[in-house]
Amino acid sequence: LAKTTQPISMDSYEGQEVNITCSHNNIATNDYITWYQQFPSQGPRFIIQGYKTKVTNEVASLFIPADRKSSTLSLPRVSLSDTAVYYCLVGDTGGGSQGNLIFGKGTKLSVKP
Amino acid sequence: DVKVTQSSRYLVKRTGEKVFLECVQDMDHENMFWYRQDPGLGLRLIYFSYDVKMKEKGDIPEGYSVSREKKERFSLILESASTNQTSMYLCASSLSYQGMDGYTFGSGTRLTVV
Repeated sequence: LAKTTQPISMDSYEGQEVNITCSHNNIATNDYITWYQQFPSQGPRFIIQGYKTKVTNEVASLFIPADRKSSTLSLPRVSLSDTAVYYCLVGDTGGGSQGNLIFGKGTKLSVKP
Repeated sequence: DVKVTQSSRYLVKRTGEKVFLECVQDMDHENMFWYRQDPGLGLRLIYFSYDVKMKEKGDIPEGYSVSREKKERFSLILESASTNQTSMYLCASSLSYQGMDGYTFGSGTRLTVV
């Protein structure tokens, strides 16, 4: 799976939009970009996935430029409950024995009142 | 919702003990995984299994073994626990045709080896 680079930590205030950028210079043609969120004392949970351009769901948006060498997770109007570690993963979505998730160190987002 | 249940949230074991960490999923997933999570290192894959009685080494299998006798259960075994195995252990499962968005994790077992 492609190696990813994210900021170690970010601080924000309630109500702000937060953008977390992930670099993945060696992304392959078949690779997707997937983000997981992990709250303290819980396992990670899936939040969004994309291949190119923009993807939006009820939780976040994912922006992917044309060269796909980076991506940006956007969290609109964060609240205290968005304080978590966010992981960017890049890889083939084939699943099975080839679909293992390889996590980096993630970005620890701290939202302050 | 699929559930991945880890038998213990907290465990304290002595050095040299044989330790079993149990994980059960209730949605007939083919794939199951064991990760450990340490501060500053993120999650690292220990072992995974894509079928009953099948297992594959992950990135850090040394000092661990696994057992998958039934589809729903995946056990992580520390043959002789050591203090450097103090960590948070996370189990996950997924369907074989699902990709990176289809993983469900348990809540973790925090193991302390003294």
